Amino acid sequence: EAAVTQSPRSKVAVTGGKVTLSCHQTNNHDYMYWYRQDTGHGLRLIHYSYVADSTEKGDIPDGYKASRPSQENFSLILELASLSQTAVYFCASRGAETLYFGSGTRLTVL
Amino acid sequence: AQKVTQTQTSISVVEKTTVTMDCVYETRDSSYFLFWYKQTASGEIVFLIRQDSYKKENATVGHYSLNFQKPKSSIGLIITATQIEDSAVYFCAMRESSGSWQLIFGSGTQLTVMP
Repeated sequence: EAAVTQSPRSKVAVTGGKVTLSCHQTNNHDYMYWYRQDTGHGLRLIHYSYVADSTEKGDIPDGYKASRPSQENFSLILELASLSQTAVYFCASRGAETLYFGSGTRLTVL
Repeated sequence: AQKVTQTQTSISVVEKTTVTMDCVYETRDSSYFLFWYKQTASGEIVFLIRQDSYKKENATVGHYSLNFQKPKSSIGLIITATQIEDSAVYFCAMRESSGSWQLIFGSGTQLTVMP
């Protein structure tokens, strides 16, 4: 049973539109993360959170917002989607030793 | 600033042989943690193995082992008796012990295991 669930699995958005990617974890972990993966690149950290109602910026936060309404849920928000934000997005929660990833959301901005 | 570099873009091996994937890192911390993850064709990312910088013994899990060379800032992943199912992209990652808990990833190595 998947402990980190992302929705949707894929999405097509229009330039300038608002996009919300959702993540739900049942690991009871405090820390949650949003990463972005581009072809030929590793994962780059966008935002993370260690407690509900609080988020922190990662390495590439520009153009993204994050929301952590509860321990279980962590959302990534693109207020004005741009072509350059086409990528695969991964959510993760942090266990004692490492991260546990969701299955990813493939976002295409047209 | 911390950095993780994987110079091998892709590797092909024959089934049942041993393969080594390279990874070098940069950090100013004296204490840090190194990880290897596997990303399957479906996109799933799975944790494989971890090495703590203060441990001299190389970590081993199943048919995965690490070659930790601290003076060279190098952490190689060794897969013995490779199987077709090992075909995937392998990522090296690092976390410094100071500051917030963040993983920095390398760009990955595509491994293809051929019959």
